[in-house]
Amino acid sequence: DAKTTQPPSMDCAEGRAANLPCNHSTISGNEYVYWYRQIHSQGPQYIIHGLKNNETNEMASLIITEDRKSSTLILPHATLRDTAVYYCILPPNNNAGNMLTFGGGTRLMVKP
Amino acid sequence: KAGVTQTPRYLIKTRGQQVTLSCSPISGHRSVSWYQQTPGQGLQFLFEYFSETQRNKGNFPGRFSGRQFSNSRSEMNVSTLELGDSALYLCASSHGQGGTEAFFGQGTRLTVV
Repeated sequence: DAKTTQPPSMDCAEGRAANLPCNHSTISGNEYVYWYRQIHSQGPQYIIHGLKNNETNEMASLIITEDRKSSTLILPHATLRDTAVYYCILPPNNNAGNMLTFGGGTRLMVKP
Repeated sequence: KAGVTQTPRYLIKTRGQQVTLSCSPISGHRSVSWYQQTPGQGLQFLFEYFSETQRNKGNFPGRFSGRQFSNSRSEMNVSTLELGDSALYLCASSHGQGGTEAFFGQGTRLTVV
């Protein structure tokens, strides 16, 4: 499966938008981009996923570039509870099951 | 609906012992995956079970094994425990179609002394 590159850490002020980038330049045409986050000492939590169109749900928005080589997860109004490690993942899409390859992720610190 | 349930939440074992961890997936989910999380290696995939069959396996020694029952509940076993096996073990359940959304449990924190 394609690899992803994320900055190791980011800070964001409470109430402001958090924009978390992810590079996936070797993504193939049918691979989805998934985002998960892990709050300290908890299991990872699914956030959102997309293929080529921008997506929005109650948690976040996902912006995927037209060439699909990068994406940005947007938390529109970050709160202290959004402090977590955010993972950008490209699961295998060949019916190989649910094997998620977690990289280092981005440690987002939301500050008051 | 109920989430993914892992038991026990915490466990302390001695080197050389074996341990069995349990995972009850979300009702209707047929896939259960297991992951190991350590400070040094991060989150690593152990194996996945789908309809009682191991479908994928990560790069872990044979001391790590698992199984899945007809009700989709899964267990993983680690034999001959080593200090380095101390970790948070997480299981995730999903419908089992490639690349679908996975739901994680809270994990079992294993400490080997």
